[in-house]
This record gives sequence, structure tokens and C-alpha cells, in this order.
Amino acid sequence: EAGVAQSPRYKIIEKRQSVAFWCNPISGHATLYWYQQILGQGPKLLIQFQNNGVVDDSQLPKDRFSAERLKGVDSTLKIQPAKLEDSAVYLCASSSQGSGYTFGSGTRLTVV
Amino acid sequence: AQSVTQPDIHITVSEGASLELRCNYSYGATPYLFWYVQSPGQGLQLLLKYFSGDTLVQGIKGFEAEFKRSQSSFNLRKPSVHWSDAAEYFCAVGTASNTGKLIFGQGTTLQVKP
Repeated sequence: EAGVAQSPRYKIIEKRQSVAFWCNPISGHATLYWYQQILGQGPKLLIQFQNNGVVDDSQLPKDRFSAERLKGVDSTLKIQPAKLEDSAVYLCASSSQGSGYTFGSGTRLTVV
Repeated sequence: AQSVTQPDIHITVSEGASLELRCNYSYGATPYLFWYVQSPGQGLQLLLKYFSGDTLVQGIKGFEAEFKRSQSSFNLRKPSVHWSDAAEYFCAVGTASNTGKLIFGQGTTLQVKP
């Protein structure tokens, strides 16, 4: 089966600009996650979707981050405006009861 | 609060030597425990997981881990390390078996000497 697709792989932006990341989960996976991985740290959950509803967004900085999962399939994570501390790898993952978690390769964001 | 601690930030072992990576967790309920490996520029690959039952779990690439409830630990082991094992290793605790939030440790970077 195809894995979790993410784009772009790399992005460099200036602070205060906006950026968007896209994720296409494994077909049939109802649950989709966005994790932020800052260099030298483990991934941290930003938001979890079940189909097109939000299950957990308690650690999402809502003043600048937003995410949506239209039609319960692919998802977009947006940052506006970006800060230097948003430099990180943004990992998308999807899961199902039968198969467990699968992670994408991530988008590496550098804010300068 | 739920948390995962990996005490060793960086470990260097010789090729062919044995390996043990430590992981301690803090979780109020029955933990669902995972080990992931991440190579540079890659996503996270699942090595093994523990949900219940036998406390010694076998994973891919010759890795195994042992769940010790009394010590709140889930250490990863491999009897003989290969150069291709050099990567970053993450321990995680989950809120559910297959569809839940994962809380990760900060990771252990493994370097393998020839």
C-alpha cells in the first residue's frame, strides 16, 4: 500500500510569512495526526483528527497555527505568521485500529 | 502527567557489540509502549510495540524490548549491532493501542564504530 504522502519536503521562509503543508494519509485510515519535531527533541502532537473532526488540539498554538481535514481524507497545516521557533520537521501520520500508525517523511521548515 | 525519559542522548557502540537503549515512562493507566527508529531525513519506522501479554517483545531488524512494570521501563536491546543501525531511536507511550496520541522521549542517537 502507498505510504503517508507529505509535501513539500523542504521549505524556507522568512519570519512573519505564511506557509502551508499538505498530507495525504493511507487510504482508509480514519485518524490523522500532525506532529512537530524540533531539532534534538522527540515529536510532539499538534493536532489529531478522527475523520474530519478534531479529537485533540490542546498543543496547537492556535494564534498562528491552523489545520483542516476536509472530507476526512487529506489535511493541510498552516502557519501564519511564522516565527523563528517554528523551525522544525512537521510529521504527518495516520492510523487505523487494524494497522496502527504510519508516519510520513515529514516537511522540514526553516524560518529565517 | 504522561512523560517518557530516554536518559542517554548519545550512545556509541562498536559493530558486533550488544546494545541497550533505556526508556522510562510515567503513565497513570496501562501503557501502550513503542520504539521507533528515524534515519536522517526519514520518517519514523516502528521497531516494536507492547500492548499486553508477554513482557519480552520481538521486533524488526533483530531488536527486542522488555517491559518492566515495577521499574516503569521499556528498554530496547539488540545482541549484535550492525553499522546500518546507526540512527536516532525514540521511545513512546501511547494513550491507546493503535489510534491515539503518542508521547515521545527526546531520543537517543546511536553511532556505530567499525
